[in-house]
Amino acid sequence: QKEVEQNSGPLSVPEGAIASLNCTYSDRVSQSFFWYRQYSGKSPELIMSIYSNGDKEDGRFTAQLNKASQYVSLLIRDSQPSDSATYLCAVILGAGGFKTIFGAGTRLFVKA
Amino acid sequence: GAVVSQHPSWVICKSGTSVKIECRSLDFQATTMFWYRQFPKQSLMLMATSNEGSKATYEQGVEKDKFLINHASLTLSTLTVTSAHPEDSSFYICSAIRQNEQFFGPGTRLTVL
Repeated sequence: QKEVEQNSGPLSVPEGAIASLNCTYSDRVSQSFFWYRQYSGKSPELIMSIYSNGDKEDGRFTAQLNKASQYVSLLIRDSQPSDSATYLCAVILGAGGFKTIFGAGTRLFVKA
Repeated sequence: GAVVSQHPSWVICKSGTSVKIECRSLDFQATTMFWYRQFPKQSLMLMATSNEGSKATYEQGVEKDKFLINHASLTLSTLTVTSAHPEDSSFYICSAIRQNEQFFGPGTRLTVL
């Protein structure tokens, strides 16, 4: 089992819809979770971090964390064509460390 | 604004030459930086963890004698690809931790002819 798993997609949604991106992780003691957005040919950009169970909202983005299920998700409301990118889920393994493991990424296409 | 810079942003070199890539943390000190490599349409692969004042920690399968890492100051880490070959052509990205969040540099695209 991979340490961080994501559906590679592509996920295609119409403009204005909600895009839902999912991620599961294997290390039960992990405490820090992140979502990055990566445009083609560019480096990843941090868009959300979440550390506690529940929801965390920032603008059109909502991150959801369920440690019992080892599941973290990202919702993008009112999706825009500019949201089309690869979204990387990242987990800092263990508790108190720095080593970050990335999922393979989910490609999102928002159709105008 | 950007918190991590890289230089150069792209480089083309001949096979057998060495290439140095610099990674700088801007306005903060980073005792730990990370070097990643990303091939087209693939995910980020951690190559090594760069530690200020001590030896880098390399991931399994990464040749430490080929990918030399120097972290001589709290704001600068360098990656030198020695005797580069076409299979080393890739997108190299560094990152640094600031307040528990990892920020990436803009990346360096290396093409070895």
